[in-house]
Amino acid sequence: GQNIDQPTEMTATEGAIVQINCTYQTSGFNGLFWYQQHAGEAPTFLSYNVLDGLEEKGRFSSFLSRSKGYSYLLLKELQMKDSASYLCAVPSYGNNRLAFGKGNQVVVIP
Amino acid sequence: EPEVTQTPSHQVTQMGQEVILRCVPISNHLYFYWYRQILGQKVEFLVSFYNNEISEKSEIFDDQFSVERPDGSNFTLKIRSTKLEDSAMYFCASSDLGVSYEQYFGPGTRLTVT
Repeated sequence: GQNIDQPTEMTATEGAIVQINCTYQTSGFNGLFWYQQHAGEAPTFLSYNVLDGLEEKGRFSSFLSRSKGYSYLLLKELQMKDSASYLCAVPSYGNNRLAFGKGNQVVVIP
Repeated sequence: EPEVTQTPSHQVTQMGQEVILRCVPISNHLYFYWYRQILGQKVEFLVSFYNNEISEKSEIFDDQFSVERPDGSNFTLKIRSTKLEDSAMYFCASSDLGVSYEQYFGPGTRLTVT
């Protein structure tokens, strides 16, 4: 089975940097996704990590440590439009399903 | 850019009624999924579909639920006899190479069971 844990909410100022953490337990590892979800909308893909280390993609970076069962998403130069829930998700190993964490709500204030 | 579409955007139904939620996945994708999200809760996997059959289903996906790909473009989720607790946002998603690849989500159907 899979168990994914994320803290629930944080507030940050425009222009700041925030780090959103995710810990997971899974029987067999097949990568980790980060999705962004604005209120009332569908999740949209941000990143996918399967190897340890940092993947940078513009203002967003994602880090993975497989030995620690840990990932974080780093949001730099925060903009108001970044106010959303950030979901980490782990595909099951050997099964065709994706398990999501509860998400971390980020509120960006001026 | 290709996108997943879903209809209707909002469906209100009475308890015990059957509903069919419709999705048109991205045309060259081979894997299709349904998820649900109860208000304020996490996105939950329901079912995955590949090569015209269910490849995985969750504990939520009981006998009240079924999926179908009636033609080359549509992918449907049927709930046979809706319950109050089926009220949720239902998302369809598709991917080209399986669950370890980016899934593209549709905008969702908000189902309200009264």
